[in-house]
Amino acid sequence: ETGVTQSPTHLIKTRGQQVTLRCSSQSGHNTVSWYQQALGQGPQFIFQYYREEENGRGNFPPRFSGLQFPNYSSELNVNALELDDSALYLCASSFDGQATDTQYFGPGTRLTVL
Amino acid sequence: RKEVEQDPGPFNVPEGATVAFNCTYSNSASQSFFWYRQDCRKEPKLLMSVYSSGNEDGRFTAQLNRASQYISLLIRDSKLSDSATYLCVVGHNDYKLSFGAGTTVTVRA
Repeated sequence: ETGVTQSPTHLIKTRGQQVTLRCSSQSGHNTVSWYQQALGQGPQFIFQYYREEENGRGNFPPRFSGLQFPNYSSELNVNALELDDSALYLCASSFDGQATDTQYFGPGTRLTVL
Repeated sequence: RKEVEQDPGPFNVPEGATVAFNCTYSNSASQSFFWYRQDCRKEPKLLMSVYSSGNEDGRFTAQLNRASQYISLLIRDSKLSDSATYLCVVGHNDYKLSFGAGTTVTVRA
């Protein structure tokens, strides 16, 4: 196991609602990246947090936001949920925020928007 | 054009066979390359990093061709447990990893 945990495991929401997903990084890692994986697709980069600051962002609208805490755990918040937000949300922790670092994934949160 | 493109397969092979597949990437400035394995409804797990000189890890061999911008993975002596989706992953000169959509391999008894 990677030591990266995510909660909740599954979540069902309706359109327009807001959701918060949580991730605890592996011990010793200061970087958390979030990905969205739709069915049949590869993970798509949402954003990365490094030492509590957003370090980069993919092509996701502002209603996707996040936080990283002093213990390097992280939250992903999605406002005004849309049907297309239904996906597996993965967080990955890494040692120091570089693209050459190995990223260790958590088990994911499966979000269903009805 | 997608940043990372893979043949989705599926590659359906008997136990003991060799299977190989590629992916291509569009950003010539990409710096790091990986193969991840993802089992059904599970998280991706690092299979191996890919280096310019090529590298081998047991039955798995990865090659990188920077000139043609493709990465390959070869699995020798396939096992039933090799059945999975293999994700080609490319890192850029910052923080971002780009994933392909995956190649599905099914090994049959």
